[in-house]
Amino acid sequence: QKEVEQNSGPLSVPEGAIASLNCTYSDRGSQSFFWYRQYSGKSPELIMSIYSNGDKEDGRFTAQLNKASQYVSLLIRDSQPSDSATYLCAGYGGATNKLIFGTGTLLAVQP
Amino acid sequence: DAGVTQSPTHLIKTRGQQVTLRCSPKSGHDTVSWYQQALGQGPQFIFQYYEEEERQRGNFPDRFSGHQFPNYSSELNVNALLLGDSALYLCASSLGAGNQPQHFGDGTRLSIL
Repeated sequence: QKEVEQNSGPLSVPEGAIASLNCTYSDRGSQSFFWYRQYSGKSPELIMSIYSNGDKEDGRFTAQLNKASQYVSLLIRDSQPSDSATYLCAGYGGATNKLIFGTGTLLAVQP
Repeated sequence: DAGVTQSPTHLIKTRGQQVTLRCSPKSGHDTVSWYQQALGQGPQFIFQYYEEEERQRGNFPDRFSGHQFPNYSSELNVNALLLGDSALYLCASSLGAGNQPQHFGDGTRLSIL
């Protein structure tokens, strides 16, 4: 079982819709979670950090963490074609005390 | 505010050679982590440097080594290059070696022929 799992996609949504990206993790000791956006050929860019259960909002982005279910999600409201990218979920802490990435979900926002 | 800078941008080497990649952390950051990202995969943790010492290491062979300098900049060295070492090498910096957000540089794309 992978430590951090994401659906590879592609996830296709129309412009203006809500994109929902999901991530599960296996290490219950993981403390912190991060979402990164990576455009093709570029490096990952930090979008959100979340450390406690519940929702955290930043502009059009909302991160959700449910430690009991070992589940993290990222919602993107009013999706734009410029949001088309691979979204990487990463978890820190637990047994490894390292930042572990999922394989990423490719998001395609259709104009 | 200078972000994370990496050099070189691209590098082509042949099997068996050695390579050194360089990273300067974001202003105010003192911790540097290195990652290898193969095509279609998430970044894989190589190691992390804090206070000039390797603090954590991922599942990479001893051919991968590093160093951190007093000004917090870092180098990644890879010896005896293999074809499978072809990847994007990413440096990330953070404040402290704990669970603080890590910010990535643009990466070095290494191709092994």
